Amino acid sequence: AQSVTQPDIHITVSEGASLELRCNYSYGATPYLFWYVQSPGQGLQLLLKYFSGDTLVQGIKGFEAEFKRSQSSFNLRKPSVHWSDAAEYFCAVGAENNDMRFGAGTRLTVKP
Amino acid sequence: EPEVTQTPSHQVTQMGQEVILRCVPISNHLYFYWYRQILGQKVEFLVSFYNNEISEKSEIFDDQFSVERPDGSNFTLKIRSTKLEDSAMYFCASSNPGGRRAEQYFGPGTRLTVT
Repeated sequence: AQSVTQPDIHITVSEGASLELRCNYSYGATPYLFWYVQSPGQGLQLLLKYFSGDTLVQGIKGFEAEFKRSQSSFNLRKPSVHWSDAAEYFCAVGAENNDMRFGAGTRLTVKP
Repeated sequence: EPEVTQTPSHQVTQMGQEVILRCVPISNHLYFYWYRQILGQKVEFLVSFYNNEISEKSEIFDDQFSVERPDGSNFTLKIRSTKLEDSAMYFCASSNPGGRRAEQYFGPGTRLTVT
């Protein structure tokens, strides 16, 4: 069955520091992978997606993610975090039945 | 930029009452979805809808739930007899095209509180 695991429930980083949020997926076929961000009281905004091709994908707000098939991972990175990046981040996989399977989310706190 | 809208932003209802959550998908999208997020938990798929019928539904989407596209713009989720455990944030999404590759655009959500 399709599933997504985000091992880190909560991460705290200092403003200006680099960030990596982990995501592991389980899916039998070619995965279609997404990262969404949810600010407090807001809906889900797409940061980036991977369908095929270059395994390093660029997204909005300076985020990037790398697809590693051998590790079944799709980790999200940002070289320098801004205070406005504080939010909940969800990794998701597009599944067979037209639905989207989400990970449990990682809450990012940014220290001044 | 087009966006998905949802009303109301917060709905409080008593157990056993019917509620209707409303969504206006992006106008040229053909695929519609409902998800829910119980507080502190992951976002869970409920149902997808295409061509005026349900495409897929999860185990959560039992007989208490129904969806409808009553006109050319609205997409609704009805819960017939709410239970305490229905308290959650409900997200509507739309996409074009559909399927696994679909980039789904999410609304801001409706927070449903069942007392």
